[in-house]
Amino acid sequence: QTVVTQEPSFSVSPGGTVTLTCGLSSGSVSASYYPSWYQQTPGQAPRTLIYNTDTRSSGVPGRFSGSILGNKAALTITGAQADDESYYYCVLCVDGGISVFGGGTKLTVL
Amino acid sequence: EVQLLESGGGLVQPGGSLRLSCAASGFTFSTYAMSWVRQAPGKGLEWVSVISGDAVTTYYADSVKGRFTISRDSSKNTLYLQVNSLRAEDTAIYYCVWLRFHYHGMDVWGQGTTVTVSS
Repeated sequence: QTVVTQEPSFSVSPGGTVTLTCGLSSGSVSASYYPSWYQQTPGQAPRTLIYNTDTRSSGVPGRFSGSILGNKAALTITGAQADDESYYYCVLCVDGGISVFGGGTKLTVL
Repeated sequence: EVQLLESGGGLVQPGGSLRLSCAASGFTFSTYAMSWVRQAPGKGLEWVSVISGDAVTTYYADSVKGRFTISRDSSKNTLYLQVNSLRAEDTAIYYCVWLRFHYHGMDVWGQGTTVTVSS
């Protein structure tokens, strides 16, 4: 059973930079897991931010960036804004066509 | 522009069945893989299933394997999810998702359809 790990919560000051991570309970995340990142506010459908590790989806501002940091995938928000306060989910393609989401990170901007 | 519109959700008793539909537009339907992702009330996202563009290959989460069936009809540009033997824990919003690549790169999401399993 593959478990994808994310920080349950994080906080950042307006204008600050925050890096959220996405790991595996056992093993390292690499680009071959094709990590993607999604933003979701309550009551709304998820919005795609990043796919294929570091490719921004259409219309996503440049302050969102994806990467591999050490043994995890990472989502960095540079110059955080109040409306970045959301839940953030990562997903990894772990086995052929099987994907697994992380539990999500609740980001607070204060 | 890729657009997805789900339908077919509703209230169903435990053990019951539903067929969820996702009408797609804005792309060559048979070229791209599609997925279903669900979200139980107050919980995170859960990947459910994926189907290849040619409908030949499918994958399922262990939690739904043997009970759910994903399919697609290119003549109608529609994705389906047949959900059988429903349990209370299947209560969720079910999202249809367009994939940019073969089995990864979930990118465009529908607004979701709600399934409630309760007696």
